[in-house]
Amino acid sequence: LAKTTQPISMDSYEGQEVNITCSHNNIATNDYITWYQQFPSQGPRFIIQGYKTKVTNEVASLFIPADRKSSTLSLPRVSLSDTAVYYCLVGARSGSARQLTFGSGTQLTVLP
Amino acid sequence: KAGVTQTPRYLIKTRGQQVTLSCSPISGHRSVSWYQQTPGQGLQFLFEYFSETQRNKGNFPGRFSGRQFSNSRSEMNVSTLELGDSALYLCASSSNRDSRTIQYFGAGTRLSVL
Repeated sequence: LAKTTQPISMDSYEGQEVNITCSHNNIATNDYITWYQQFPSQGPRFIIQGYKTKVTNEVASLFIPADRKSSTLSLPRVSLSDTAVYYCLVGARSGSARQLTFGSGTQLTVLP
Repeated sequence: KAGVTQTPRYLIKTRGQQVTLSCSPISGHRSVSWYQQTPGQGLQFLFEYFSETQRNKGNFPGRFSGRQFSNSRSEMNVSTLELGDSALYLCASSSNRDSRTIQYFGAGTRLSVL
C-alpha cells in the first residue's frame, strides 16, 4: 500500500495562499491522488483529485510533478473556515480490493 | 442527491455490550467502506463491501464485523465492547472500485464505551 507523508501542522493568515505538500514515493502506475478536508467530529470531505500535472476546481488546485512521487494542494486566499485537517491519499490496490490509506494529515490553522 | 447517512450519530454503551451501526450510501453507490477514527490512531480502515460481499478487511479483531444488504445499505457490528472501541466510526460510499473512484463520507457515529 502506498504510504504518504505530510507536514503535521501549518499556520497561515487569512487571505494568504497555502500550499501543502505530500510525498508518496511508491505510488503505483494506476493510482490517483486525492485530497480530503476534515472538520472536528465530521467525516472527511472530498476536495480534489488528480493523476498528473495540474488540476483546478472551484476550491483548490493540485500540482503533480512528472515523477508523481509528490503532490501539492494549493488553497488560494484561505479564510478562518479553512481551518481543518487535510489528508492526502493515494488509492491503493491489494489484489482485487481497494483500500484508502489515510496518513496523519496536516492540521491547517488559519489565523485572523 | 442525499449524501451518506449514518445512524445513530451518538451512542453510549458499556463494556461487554454489543452495538450495531448503520450506513445508507448515496443512491446508486454499491461500495461501502467503514473506518475507525481515534485521536491516537487516526483513520483506520475496517472493511469494504461491494455487492453484498466483503472485498477487503483491515487489521481489526473478529469482534468487528459487517454486512451489506441488497439495497447497498450496510451495517457494522462490534461485539463484546472494550473501552478502546470508543471512536468515531465513519462510513464511505462510492459508485465503483477503481483507483479514481471518489469515496464520500458520512458524518459518522460517535461511540462511547463506558
